[in-house]
Amino acid sequence: GAVVSQHPSRVICKSGTSVKIECRSLDFQATTMFWYRQFPKQSLMLMATSNEGSKATYEQGVEKDKFLINHASLTLSTLTVTSAHPEDSSFYICSAPSAGSGYGYTFGSGTRLTVV
Amino acid sequence: GQQVMQIPQYQHVQEGEDFTTYCNSSTTLSNIQWYKQRPGGHPVFLIQLVKSGEVKKQKRLTFQFGEAKKNSSLHITATQTTDVGTYFCAGGGGAQKLVFGQGTRLTINP
Repeated sequence: GAVVSQHPSRVICKSGTSVKIECRSLDFQATTMFWYRQFPKQSLMLMATSNEGSKATYEQGVEKDKFLINHASLTLSTLTVTSAHPEDSSFYICSAPSAGSGYGYTFGSGTRLTVV
Repeated sequence: GQQVMQIPQYQHVQEGEDFTTYCNSSTTLSNIQWYKQRPGGHPVFLIQLVKSGEVKKQKRLTFQFGEAKKNSSLHITATQTTDVGTYFCAGGGGAQKLVFGQGTRLTINP
């Protein structure tokens, strides 16, 4: 079935540095990728929608300059957290509509970001 | 904007007991999807409901979509320890976006 490979799974970085998270769709083309943030024991909050070859659409309240999204190909979308601060520590997860109607969305395995 | 409310937030049951989680949307949904997230894991797609009044079963899991397409439920019969996790409903909206409910965390006493 459809697989979205997300890397890294865990990252610890210092305040002020940038972190790039990659999501690759394996064996299917993801023209759209959704990026979520999840706090412990909470639901998934949609941050932005990336579309291959065009600018990402950000949800209200999400800083575009802080969370840079690039969707350069049909199989790769990236999220870069720039100038990270401790409050950016969270679980970031991507998802793409699975190929075919009725098969839901395939999620990456998530990235646990800790900013120290 | 569209909101999806899910209750209960937590449910603890004895193994073998039944479990139900409910979702309500503020607007009519084009479809509703259900996901399961194991502790430390990522959401995994369970099912999608599209038609008004639709009922689907997967072994011990029964999914329903309301007649008005604004509510849904997931019922698990005779829970097993493997059912532990958080169950999310997600309403299909415009531009393929999904709006997730808050999730119901299920814990089970063996």
